[in-house]
Amino acid sequence: GDSVTQMEGPVTLSEEAFLTINCTYTATGYPSLFWYVQYPGEGLQLLLKATKADDKGSNKGFEATYRKETTSFHLEKGSVQVSDSAVYFCALKDDYQLIWGAGTKLIIKP
Amino acid sequence: EPEVTQTPSHQVTQMGQEVILRCVPISNHLYFYWYRQILGQKVEFLVSFYNNEISEKSEIFDDQFSVERPDGSNFTLKIRSTKLEDSAMYFCASSEGSGRGGDTQYFGPGTRLTVL
Repeated sequence: GDSVTQMEGPVTLSEEAFLTINCTYTATGYPSLFWYVQYPGEGLQLLLKATKADDKGSNKGFEATYRKETTSFHLEKGSVQVSDSAVYFCALKDDYQLIWGAGTKLIIKP
Repeated sequence: EPEVTQTPSHQVTQMGQEVILRCVPISNHLYFYWYRQILGQKVEFLVSFYNNEISEKSEIFDDQFSVERPDGSNFTLKIRSTKLEDSAMYFCASSEGSGRGGDTQYFGPGTRLTVL
C-alpha cells in the first residue's frame, strides 16, 4: 500500500541555518503531497502542498517540490528561526485519507 | 479565519466506558474525518464521512467505533467500550472536497483520550 518515509529526528540546528527534512513516498497512483506542522501543544496545521509532479509548494519561507522521478517531497528553508521549532509531518493523499510519515521533530537553538 | 474545533481537549475514562468526542467542522465543508495518534506513533486514518455516510474506513475502525453528524454543525466519534489501547490523541478534520485535486484537510487541535 501507499506509504511515506521521513528522516528520523530530532533535527537540531542553530538559528539562521539551512533546513532540509527528507520525505519519500510510495504510491500506486498520483497522490497530492502535503507538509503539516505541529507546534508544541497545538494541532496539525497545513504548511504547504503540491498536487502534481514538479509543483512547488511554499509558505512562510518553507518550500518543497514534488519530484515524481525520485518520489520525494523534501522540505527546505533557507534560514530557520527559533519559532520554527515543531514537529513536521509529510503526508500523501490519493483518495479520501491522508497517509502520514512518522514526523520529524525540529529543534532550533538561538 | 474559520477553524475546526474539538471538545473536550482532554478526556479521561475507565476501561469499558463509552466516550463521545465532539468536533465542529468548518461550516462550508462537506467531508469530515477522524484520525488518531498513539503517543510516539504515526497519525492513523480512522474514517471519512460524507453526505451522512461513511465513505471510507480503516481496519482500526471496528464495531466499537461509530460516527454521526447529529445536527448541521457537529460531527462526533463514539467509542462504545473503551480499551487501554484506545488511549491516543484524536484529531478531527474537514475539507471542502475529497478528491486528489489537492483538497486540503483542516485539522482541529485534538482530543487527548486517556483510558485507565
